[in-house]
Amino acid sequence: EAGVVQSPRYKIIEKKQPVAFWCNPISGHNTLYWYLQNLGQGPELLIRYENEEAVDDSQLPKDRFSAERLKGVDSTLKIQPAELGDSAVYLCASSLGEDEQFFGPGTRLTVL
Amino acid sequence: GQQLNQSPQSMFIQEGEDVSMNCTSSSIFNTWLWYKQDPGEGPVLLIALYKAGELTSNGRLTAQFGITRKDSFLNISASIPSDVGIYFCAGAAMYSGGGADGLTFGKGTHLIIQP
Repeated sequence: EAGVVQSPRYKIIEKKQPVAFWCNPISGHNTLYWYLQNLGQGPELLIRYENEEAVDDSQLPKDRFSAERLKGVDSTLKIQPAELGDSAVYLCASSLGEDEQFFGPGTRLTVL
Repeated sequence: GQQLNQSPQSMFIQEGEDVSMNCTSSSIFNTWLWYKQDPGEGPVLLIALYKAGELTSNGRLTAQFGITRKDSFLNISASIPSDVGIYFCAGAAMYSGGGADGLTFGKGTHLIIQP
């Protein structure tokens, strides 16, 4: 069974540029999460989807971050414009609506 | 928000030694999970605990869900070089809709094995 797929794996951009990350969850997993992981820290939840509905986006900085999961399968997380402090690893995870979450390899973003 | 206190922050051990790390919370969790993360990869689930007092093993790994629901520990017996990595505890609370909330993670325990 294929795991959670994320792309790109690495992204380097200049500040004020837009950037987008893509995630394809494990087949059949209705719940999808985006996490932010800063260096030396554990992941922190940004947004959680149940199918196509964002049921918890309280930690998503909505002034510059947006996310969508239009068909309830794959998802895109966007930052516009990016700031220096956004440099981090962006992790996607999925689950069957239970607590066992399975993570993708992440996208490492560097903002110059 | 909720905070998980994970300790120790790092461990330097000899191959073959046993390892113990723990996690405490100011809040009650319904589920405790332990993950391992290698450099450049996402966290990989090691063990999930669902009941207070539960003791679960996965090979050389053993984890327990504390009776107070506010703590958990992970033990690794007879460590080997591939155990090197960062271990994270994570707690989850079930929301009323029956699905799963996002996880709250500790800051990780960096395990280093000296030859």
